[in-house]
Amino acid sequence: GQNIDQPTEMTATEGAIVQINCTYQTSGFNGLFWYQQHAGEAPTFLSYNVLDGLEEKGRFSSFLSRSKGYSYLLLKELQMKDSASYLCAGSSGSARQLTFGSGTQLTVLP
Amino acid sequence: GAVVSQHPSRVICKSGTSVKIECRSLDFQATTMFWYRQFPKQSLMLMATSNEGSKATYEQGVEKDKFLINHASLTLSTLTVASAHPEDSSFYICSAQTIHQDYEQYFGPGTRLTVT
Repeated sequence: GQNIDQPTEMTATEGAIVQINCTYQTSGFNGLFWYQQHAGEAPTFLSYNVLDGLEEKGRFSSFLSRSKGYSYLLLKELQMKDSASYLCAGSSGSARQLTFGSGTQLTVLP
Repeated sequence: GAVVSQHPSRVICKSGTSVKIECRSLDFQATTMFWYRQFPKQSLMLMATSNEGSKATYEQGVEKDKFLINHASLTLSTLTVASAHPEDSSFYICSAQTIHQDYEQYFGPGTRLTVT
């Protein structure tokens, strides 16, 4: 089976750094995606990790440890527009199906 | 590139009617398309996986006779909610996948279905 866990809610201040953790138990694991989703909209792609280590992309970075079944998304220099739900998703199987976590609702305060 | 469209974006229908949602990959050929459902404040739940020209693979608990999927071409998949009921009201999102981009899934904008 597939199991993805991430915190339900987080709050941070504008300009700060926030780390959103995700643990997974996924058979046939291929890689891990992070998506951002604003209310009423479809998810937008943030990052994809296949190998262990840190992938940096501007203000957003994502880390993966396959041996620990652990990933995190790091958001730097937070802006108000970063308030959204952040979805961790494990890719598995030959069809590369995605299993999504429940999402972490991030609120950025002024 | 990699744009996916969905139509309609919103639909309100009466209980007992059928609703068809279209998902199109506009600038690439999708080897696989996926259909998800998302209830308020919940995450995306995979409903089915669809490959062009073959029958869709449904996730456990998803009724294939109620959620009819047709994947007629490499750029079009349709989801028909048959005899919709209020409990089918949800946000339906499709995604299209190509093997040429690390199997990344590109999401459509979603369809908000309200059954009265």
